[in-house]
Amino acid sequence: QVVQSGAEVKKPGASVKVSCKTSGYTFTRYGITWVRQAPGQGLEWMGWVSAYNGDKTYAQKFLGRVTMTTDTSTSTAHMELRSLRSDDTAMYYCALISAVGLGSFDPWGQGTQVTVSS
Amino acid sequence: QSALTQPASVSGSPGQSITISCTGTNSDVGKYNLVSWYQQHPGKAPKLIIYEVTKRPSGVSNRFAGSKSGNTASLTISGLQAEDEADYYCCSFVGRTTYVFGGGTKVTVL
Repeated sequence: QVVQSGAEVKKPGASVKVSCKTSGYTFTRYGITWVRQAPGQGLEWMGWVSAYNGDKTYAQKFLGRVTMTTDTSTSTAHMELRSLRSDDTAMYYCALISAVGLGSFDPWGQGTQVTVSS
Repeated sequence: QSALTQPASVSGSPGQSITISCTGTNSDVGKYNLVSWYQQHPGKAPKLIIYEVTKRPSGVSNRFAGSKSGNTASLTISGLQAEDEADYYCCSFVGRTTYVFGGGTKVTVL
């Protein structure tokens, strides 16, 4: 099971940190990938982080604004997005991927709505 | 990295077969057998239905089939059912543990 933290409302320029807690899996055998979906739009891959060794890759678009981490003590991954803009308003999803970042995304969390508004 | 190209919409009658294409380049779809497909019903999280081009996860109906030819991957849904009405997204590995999604296809069951 993959359960994400609750909805967030932030002002432009602020930061948001979304959590993704796993259960029923050996956390360090996986990586966590993050995907977002703006209202009425398609899926956008943001990056991934390995719970095994901390390896990570971020999509070019988010370099310098995003940080993805894992906490093996709580089997939880976190995604922090900084300098929020209105076009960051989206549903943010996490999903499991292999520990080396290859393959498909399964299962997915339920999503976390992030709204950026002044 | 540009998004993979999918048709915006595809429709079919119950019982028919439909195919959704996903066109990339020889740097992504054409280079790697790491294409996956996701089904998303309104207001729900995406669900994996095909991985590594042709493989189905346990529990996914065998009415879903994936294939690839050159730079284009395809998802075929046979015996179309009302419950198949959803958005479908392809996704490809593009190297250096980086991925790209298609723009999504809305499937309508007439």
